[in-house]
Formats: sequence, structure tokens, C-alpha cells
Amino acid sequence: KAGVTQTPRYLIKTRGQQVTLSCSPISGHRSVSWYQQTPGQGLQFLFEYFSETQRNKGNFPGRFSGRQFSNSRSEMNVSTLELGDSALYLCASSYSGQLNEKLFFGSGTQLSVL
Amino acid sequence: GDSVTQMEGPVTLSEEAFLTINCTYTATGYPSLFWYVQYPGEGLQLLLKATKADDKGSNKGFEATYRKETTSFHLEKGSVQVSDSAVYFCALRESADKLIFGTGTRLQVFP
Repeated sequence: KAGVTQTPRYLIKTRGQQVTLSCSPISGHRSVSWYQQTPGQGLQFLFEYFSETQRNKGNFPGRFSGRQFSNSRSEMNVSTLELGDSALYLCASSYSGQLNEKLFFGSGTQLSVL
Repeated sequence: GDSVTQMEGPVTLSEEAFLTINCTYTATGYPSLFWYVQYPGEGLQLLLKATKADDKGSNKGFEATYRKETTSFHLEKGSVQVSDSAVYFCALRESADKLIFGTGTRLQVFP
């Protein structure tokens, strides 16, 4: 069974641009969540999707958005990139997002904003 | 709000030494507690978890006990190996798919 797949693995963008990251969950998983990892702030929750609906959202500006498709694949978009958006973006999936379900993480997309 | 505090790293040990990484939490309810590990260039992997007070999670020689009275979930291993070198994250979870992480502790084990 394939794991959580995130693409691309690395991205380099410049300030003001926008970026789209992709996450394919484990087959059969319907819940996808996103996290931002930076050296200064650690791991912070961005948002969670289940059956194409955003169920939970962290404290990030509106420049950060996401969506989920009918096949459970998810994308996150960051518009008007800032230097501080440079981070490792991790995606995690689970079957239905219940409290005690195991989360499976992808290897992440490393975004560098120049 | 809910939060997790873990000891700063790096923690540097010789092989076969005893490991403790401290983790304390603040939560309004009764969260589940987790330790995740991140190897270089990889995502997070669940190491162990505990879902209620006095539960002990264990995996690959690592252990942690959910202590409600001290709001702690310290990670321990009796004899570390070079292959244990990684970043360890303590986390809590109260709502669906929202994990709150500590800042991570880097462990470096030397032969």
C-alpha cells in the first residue's frame, strides 16, 4: 500500500508569487491535514479536510488556502509569498480523522521563498 | 489554549546511554498524547501514543507514561543506538486531526 505522497519535493519561489502543493493520501483515507514546519515556530497545524470539506483551520492568514477533491487528494495554495513562508509543508492522512486514528505523514514539500 | 513544552536540544549521548526527553502539556480536556520521530529528510512517524491517564505507550524500546497529575509524557529509552539519532516531537490531540506539537528535540547518538 503506497504511503502519503507529496509533490513536489522541493520548490523555490520568489516573494509575491503563489504556489500550489499537492498531497495524495493513502488509498481509502478520506481525511487530509496540513502542517507547516519551521525552525522558529516548529510544527503548526494549517487545516484539515474530510470529504471535500474543511473541518478545522489553524491560525494562518487567508493567503493560505486548501481544497480536497472527490478522490481525497488535497492541494494547498499560498498566494503572495513572503520570506517567512519558507518551510517544510507536511501532509497527513487518516481514514476518517477520528481522535484515536493513526495519522500517516508524507515526506513533505520543502518550500524556499527568495 | 492547548500547548506542549519539551526540552530544548540537542541531546547528545553515547551509544547505550539512557535517554530521557521531557514533555509537559497544557490542555483543557483529556487529550491523547503522542511521540513522533523525524529522521533526516523524512516526514513524521508515530513512535508511540497514550490515550488516557496512566497509559504507557511503548515501541522499539522507547516508553512514555501519561501522567495526568504532573501533565507530563516524558520519553525514555534504556539504551540508545546510533540509529536513534533523529528529532523527536511530543504532541497532543484533542480534536479530529489537529495535533499540537512541541518544538522538537534533536537527539544525537555517537558510537
